[in-house]
Amino acid sequence: TQLLEQSPQFLSIQEGENLTVYCNSSSVFSSLQWYRQEPGEGPVLLVTVVTGGEVKKLKRLTFQFGDARKDSSLHITAAQPGDTGLYLCAGVSATGNQFYFGTGTSLTVIP
Amino acid sequence: DTAVSQTPKYLVTQMGNDKSIKCEQNLGHDTMYWYKQDSKKFLKIMFSYNNKELIINETVPNRFSPKSPDKAHLNLHINSLELGDSAVYFCASSLTGGRDFHEQYFGPGTRLTVT
Repeated sequence: TQLLEQSPQFLSIQEGENLTVYCNSSSVFSSLQWYRQEPGEGPVLLVTVVTGGEVKKLKRLTFQFGDARKDSSLHITAAQPGDTGLYLCAGVSATGNQFYFGTGTSLTVIP
Repeated sequence: DTAVSQTPKYLVTQMGNDKSIKCEQNLGHDTMYWYKQDSKKFLKIMFSYNNKELIINETVPNRFSPKSPDKAHLNLHINSLELGDSAVYFCASSLTGGRDFHEQYFGPGTRLTVT
C-alpha cells in the first residue's frame, strides 16, 4: 500500500477535453507538490500547495489542496497534446522530515 | 546551464559488474537525493544527503553506496550488479528549510540495464 494513491493510473483523452487527477492519502501533509515527467526526462516541479483548501492556477492547470491536507487534485482544462506525460504528486509529512511520491498518473492527449 | 546533471545517460552492463553514476548540481542546494524509478514509473527514494551527510537511507541493499565529496556532488556506486537493479536512476536536489523545503529539481536520469 502506497502512502499517496493517485487516480486514475492511466488516462487517454482527446485534445480539448477536460480532466481531473486525484491524489489521496489517509495521512496529513504539511505541503504537497505536483510534478510532470515527460518521456526520457526527470520530473519537473509544477506547483506547491501549503494551506488547506488552497487553490493555485497555472494557465490551464488548477491545483487544489484538500481542507484537511490529506488530498489534492489537478484539473486540466482544454487539454493539449503538450500536456501528455506522467503526473506525480508528492507530499511532505506533517513532521516535515519525510517526503513521499504518489503512484503516478500517465496522461495521453490525442490530437 | 544545466541545473542538475547526471552521467552517464545510459549504462548497459553485465551481472556482477561494479558501476558508478555521477551527479552534480549548480543550484546552490544543500540537499541531494538518489531515486530509483521502476518499470511501473514509481519513484522511490534511496538516499538523501544534506551538506555531505547522509540523512535518509531507505531499505536499499548495501551493494549501493552513495558518496558526496561536496554538497554539489552526489555519486552512486553499485557493486555486484543484479538483473533487478535495472531501472532509471534519478538524482535530485533541494533546499532544506523554508517554504521551498523539499521542492526537488531532478536530473535527466540514468537508464541502467543489467544483462
